[in-house]
Amino acid sequence: DTGVSQDPRHKITKRGQNVTFRCDPISEHNRLYWYRQTLGQGPEFLTYFQNEAQLEKSRLLSDRFSAERPKGSFSTLEIQRTEQGDSAMYLCASSAGLQGAEQFFGPGTRLTVL
Amino acid sequence: AQTVTQSQPEMSVQEAETVTLSCTYDTSENNYYLFWYKQPPSRQMILVIRQEAYKQQNATENRFSVNFQKAAKSFSLKISDSQLGDTAMYFCAFTPSPYTGANSKLTFGKGITLSVRP
Repeated sequence: DTGVSQDPRHKITKRGQNVTFRCDPISEHNRLYWYRQTLGQGPEFLTYFQNEAQLEKSRLLSDRFSAERPKGSFSTLEIQRTEQGDSAMYLCASSAGLQGAEQFFGPGTRLTVL
Repeated sequence: AQTVTQSQPEMSVQEAETVTLSCTYDTSENNYYLFWYKQPPSRQMILVIRQEAYKQQNATENRFSVNFQKAAKSFSLKISDSQLGDTAMYFCAFTPSPYTGANSKLTFGKGITLSVRP
């Protein structure tokens, strides 16, 4: 296991379509985070999981967004009825929780909504 | 709520020289961690250095060191012997200690674009 992976790396979609992103964390990490980053800005927190439990969601996460982490392994982030304002880089990170505060990031999924 | 402020949007440094990137933060937490992350153009965010708030000694990692002033809530990054590969966006970030039970999300500053000139 070499790190956090995300798929796809790039996604272009038309407004109104649904998209789903996947994140595979570092295998021994029990915490998984989703962030959104727009050009020239720092990442903003969206949601996080401890094992399979989703513990917090940001107000940024509208009803069109949903995230899951079945069995506490990989996670998916789905955006329904995409809007142009959803265009951003979606970053996933994982950490070892009580064993370490550092979060390790994946390469991100760049979403472009036309 | 925590806030992280990076007031310098851009900086430039000559190769082999030293540069300091500034960061201030605000929190009511007593136990927390501070980080500097590096994001090269079109590349992955990587951790540069971390500081635990209860440790008075400033963290160092090879050419990277921090000046952590807890009372002033200041956390600057010094890069010595700058290299062309240091060209990147640098983010200062804060998280409560995972032992506090608080949401361990990272709160980031807006970042600073550092350019190293040959």
